[in-house]
Amino acid sequence: QVQLVQSGAEVKKPGSSVKVSCKASGATFSNYAINWVRQAPGQGLEWMGGVTPIFGSSNYAQKFQGRVTITADDSTTTAYMELTTLTSEDTAVYYCARDDAGPQAFDIWGQGTMVTVSS
Amino acid sequence: EIVLTQSPGTLSVSPGERATLSCRASQSLTGSFLAWYQQRPGQAPRLLIYGASTRASGIPDTFSGSGSGTDFTLTINRLEPEDFAVYYCQQYGSSPYTFGQGTKLEIK
Repeated sequence: QVQLVQSGAEVKKPGSSVKVSCKASGATFSNYAINWVRQAPGQGLEWMGGVTPIFGSSNYAQKFQGRVTITADDSTTTAYMELTTLTSEDTAVYYCARDDAGPQAFDIWGQGTMVTVSS
Repeated sequence: EIVLTQSPGTLSVSPGERATLSCRASQSLTGSFLAWYQQRPGQAPRLLIYGASTRASGIPDTFSGSGSGTDFTLTINRLEPEDFAVYYCQQYGSSPYTFGQGTKLEIK
């Protein structure tokens, strides 16, 4: 059974960076894309970007261009999302989610990682 | 960017009744690349419907999706206590893959 397991909660200072990991198990990693979606407290879902390991290519929402880097390590079946220049508005739960590399919905989700940005 | 507008924001329905949720896109979704997700408090979203009308694996047939172009509907029949949650639509055919703002389904 496919699972996505994310790294633990983080507390960061404004201006710093955070890197969240998402480890896939139970399926061939390269056949899928891994997306990152965030949810601020009490708010809706926001797609940040994704990576397709088999192609080694990433795609980002314009809002996060230049501030987010999404990568994947096929050897460890782990995807990463790094967000820089953090502000309090980046306080959110960050989810990774899988899609079947093509126009596909997100069928498997990680448990979420809470990132708190506070001085 | 395709904007998805969900209505209503909050829907109050009694257990055992039917709920109808709406999602309208700012432009036509070619290929009907429209999904619905359920999110319970403190949990990650769960895929319910993809391709506008296909139920995801393990989703009961009390959930159904319909629509095409710009107007889509999620219908939940015979509401169970565990169905009361927030529901999001998402288009995944055109980057950025946008979500609607959500509809909260609450017990009447």
